[in-house]
Amino acid sequence: NAGVTQTPKFRILKIGQSMTLQCAQDMNHNYMYWYRQDPGMGLKLIYYSVGAGITDKGEVPNGYNVSRSTTEDFPLRLELAAPSQTSVYFCASTPLQYSNQPQHFGDGTRLSIL
Amino acid sequence: DQQVKQNSPSLSVQEGRISILNCDYTNSMFDYFLWYKKYPAEGPTFLISISSIKDKNEDGRFTVFLNKSAKHLSLHIVPSQPGDSAVYFCAASAQETSGSRLTFGEGTQLTVNP
Repeated sequence: NAGVTQTPKFRILKIGQSMTLQCAQDMNHNYMYWYRQDPGMGLKLIYYSVGAGITDKGEVPNGYNVSRSTTEDFPLRLELAAPSQTSVYFCASTPLQYSNQPQHFGDGTRLSIL
Repeated sequence: DQQVKQNSPSLSVQEGRISILNCDYTNSMFDYFLWYKKYPAEGPTFLISISSIKDKNEDGRFTVFLNKSAKHLSLHIVPSQPGDSAVYFCAASAQETSGSRLTFGEGTQLTVNP
C-alpha cells in the first residue's frame, strides 16, 4: 500500500522561484490537507480539500495555492518563494467527515529557500 | 492563539518505566483528540484517539486519558521501550468544523533509555 505519496522529498529554491509540491493518495479518501511544520512547532494547516474541485484556506494560506482536480491528487503551489516558507511540508488524507477517522500522512517534503 | 499546547518539549524515561505525555487545550468545541508519533524524516503516524464522550481509551501499551473539565489529556505508555523514542503530537478537532481539521500541539520529544 502506497498510502500518501509526496514528491520531491527535498528541494532547494532561490528566492522568487516557484514550484509545485506533489501529493497523491491511493486510498480513495475524500479529504486532503497540506500542513507545514517549522522547527519546534506543531503542524500548521495551509489548505484543505473536502473533495475534487473544492478547496479552502487553513490557518496559514498566504503565499500558497492549491487545486484538486481529482480525488487522488492535491498539489501545493508556491508562486514566489520566500525565506519564511522554508519548512517541512506534509500532506495528509482521511476518508470522511464526522467519522472521527484519523488523518494519514505522507513522509514530507523538506523545502529550503535561500 | 495556541489552542493546543504541549508544555514539555522533551521527556526522558528508563526502559520499562511509564512515560506520561501531557496536552492542554483551550477550545471547548474540541470533541475528538488524537496522538500521533513521528520519527525523523517520516510523516506523523496515528497512535491512539479519544472522543469527548469517553474519559479513557486503551490500546495495548498506550492509554489516553481525557479530563474535559480541566481541558487536559495525557498519553501513558507502559512499559516504555527504546523504539518508542520519537516526537509525540497531540491534536484536536471539532466535529462542527468543516473538513475535520486538526489543530496540533508543538510536540514532545520522548527518549526511552535502555
